[in-house]
Amino acid sequence: DVKVTQSSRYLVKRTGEKVFLECVQDMDHENMFWYRQDPGLGLRLIYFSYDVKMKEKGDIPEGYSVSREKKERFSLILESASTNQTSMYLCASSKVHREETQYFGPGTRLLVL
Amino acid sequence: GQNIDQPTEMTATEGAIVQINCTYQTSGFNGLFWYQQHAGEAPTFLSYNVLDGLEEKGRFSSFLSRSKGYSYLLLKELQMKDSASYLCAVKGSGAGSYQLTFGKGTKLSVIP
Repeated sequence: DVKVTQSSRYLVKRTGEKVFLECVQDMDHENMFWYRQDPGLGLRLIYFSYDVKMKEKGDIPEGYSVSREKKERFSLILESASTNQTSMYLCASSKVHREETQYFGPGTRLLVL
Repeated sequence: GQNIDQPTEMTATEGAIVQINCTYQTSGFNGLFWYQQHAGEAPTFLSYNVLDGLEEKGRFSSFLSRSKGYSYLLLKELQMKDSASYLCAVKGSGAGSYQLTFGKGTKLSVIP
């Protein structure tokens, strides 16, 4: 069974704080992704990575950065959290082939006060 | 870019059949995925279509017409546990071939 884990299920932070969200997958997947999910807007891609130390911007990268130092771990960083970054954050991973699905972690619900 | 449309909400009766439609406009196409997401949980994979036609998997089937930019998910013999959001997602080609673009999801409510 593929397992994608995220460091926290719930997180409360203050405006201006630096926030780290961590994601780990145990299936040797090449690709990893960070999404946010908001009511009425659906899942939106923030960043993805197709290899160690490689990163690509998704649709909404502003205010975020990422780090992939090891194949199994993909971190999302909010340099200075703002209230409009309150959201559900979902990490996913997949193998490289086109027919391969993405496997999602359980999500981190972040509240920025 | 990609644009994906699906209905926001649907309601159906336990034991019935429901069809959830998805239309897409894309600059490249490498397949269409359907995911199920229960409230407060992560999306889970249901089906993948890359060629035209119907793929059947138990109570769930998915259809694709690439020329029409159209897919549907068919759920038969509905059960209460099928109440969830259903997400349509398209995989692009070229530079977009790594990523999925998701529709906003269809919230299905199954009533007794």
